[in-house]
Amino acid sequence: GQQLNQSPQSMFIQEGEDVSMNCTSSSIFNTWLWYKQDPGEGPVLLIALYKAGELTSNGRLTAQFGITRKDSFLNISASIPSDVGIYFCAGPANAGGTSYGKLTFGQGTILTVHP
Amino acid sequence: NAGVTQTPKFQVLKTGQSMTLQCAQDMNHEYMSWYRQDPGMGLRLIHYSVGAGITDQGEVPNGYNVSRSTTEDFPLRLLSAAPSQTSVYFCASSYLGAWGTQYFGPGTRLLVL
Repeated sequence: GQQLNQSPQSMFIQEGEDVSMNCTSSSIFNTWLWYKQDPGEGPVLLIALYKAGELTSNGRLTAQFGITRKDSFLNISASIPSDVGIYFCAGPANAGGTSYGKLTFGQGTILTVHP
Repeated sequence: NAGVTQTPKFQVLKTGQSMTLQCAQDMNHEYMSWYRQDPGMGLRLIHYSVGAGITDQGEVPNGYNVSRSTTEDFPLRLLSAAPSQTSVYFCASSYLGAWGTQYFGPGTRLLVL
């Protein structure tokens, strides 16, 4: 199956700093998704990207669909303590098709924010 | 509107025991799925269903069974638990036309001794 590689694996930052993380694949994706998982809870969708080059924002979060269609980036500006959690990228398991929700997830980026 | 609910929240089993993890959604979603989450490995798809009476295997189906008799419920059965099945299990659901927007339950934490 498809594999997604996220980096960095973990980040320790001070409140107010900006954060950048990325996700890469060896295959082309036609959809990129970013989820956040708060401690002890299930993941929640943050941003969905459907077009190469697309740049989408959700409050302090901005995500981009890479031009090569093999990568995506997530940026968080002016981090706050509630940004703590695990951030996952995800995409269709068969990369290019309508797989009715068969998602492949990256291994996650663990974010810690120090007040 | 409760969204996606899972029971139990925690469970300890002995090797060889069987159990069923329950999942229910009240959003009339056609699509439902089960994932397991292990440290450093993200979420991996176990089984999924695109509607009542229709199920299929995901990435890691061995050792798990599912059925979908109603739109609302999608239980996951472990027939003979093994220590390798110690994990956190998440159920998710979505509309077929918007499968990227999956709603996850709060998870079931399973320990197999």
